Amino acid sequence: EIVMTQSPATVSVSPGERATLSCRASQSVSSDLAWYQQKPGQAPRLLIYGASTRAPGISARFSGSGSGTEFTLTISSLQSEDFAVYYCQQYDNWPYIFGQGTKLEIK
Amino acid sequence: EVQLVESGGGLVQPGGSLRISCSASGFTFSSHNMHWVRQAPGKGLEHVAAISGNGGTTYYPDSMKGRFAISRDNSKNTLYLQMSSLRAEDTAVYYCVRRDPGSSPFDPWGQGTLVTVSS
Repeated sequence: EIVMTQSPATVSVSPGERATLSCRASQSVSSDLAWYQQKPGQAPRLLIYGASTRAPGISARFSGSGSGTEFTLTISSLQSEDFAVYYCQQYDNWPYIFGQGTKLEIK
Repeated sequence: EVQLVESGGGLVQPGGSLRISCSASGFTFSSHNMHWVRQAPGKGLEHVAAISGNGGTTYYPDSMKGRFAISRDNSKNTLYLQMSSLRAEDTAVYYCVRRDPGSSPFDPWGQGTLVTVSS
């Protein structure tokens, strides 16, 4: 079973600044990596798939990069609505494991 | 519009059973693998089960085998999760999610249904 490790667990960033979130897989998942955003009381929402492709309707402020075992989600010019928990997920090998999440909070 | 609406959650005693449902609309249900993902209060996301479009193949992580059974009725566009021998640690919001054919992520997600296991 692949282990997905996200870092940091919590990151504090000021509005208008950039946030960089990391996700590491214990073995290669090619580019079969997705990022989801979850706000309190809501279901997760797909942001990025294929490691770097934005889902329909997702702001260009969100970008993903990486392949193999190392992945990054970058959120530029943070807006108030971006403060949430972010999860990565590999869908290359069953079971499709999620990372433990990174909480992005306002500094 | 693609919609997934879960129902059937509630309070159940330890050792009890419960079946939750997910009603799908806005897409060809039988063409998509479907999944259940759960989230315990204040915790992360955990994959519970998956089923192929025709219902002929089911998938469970090792940690979920034995007590959970996923099924579907394509004539009713409905996904099910039968849970048995429930424990306090099964308390969670259970989400229904769709997966496109091929190598693809989970999208969209239902709003979730809360299952509480407590005496």
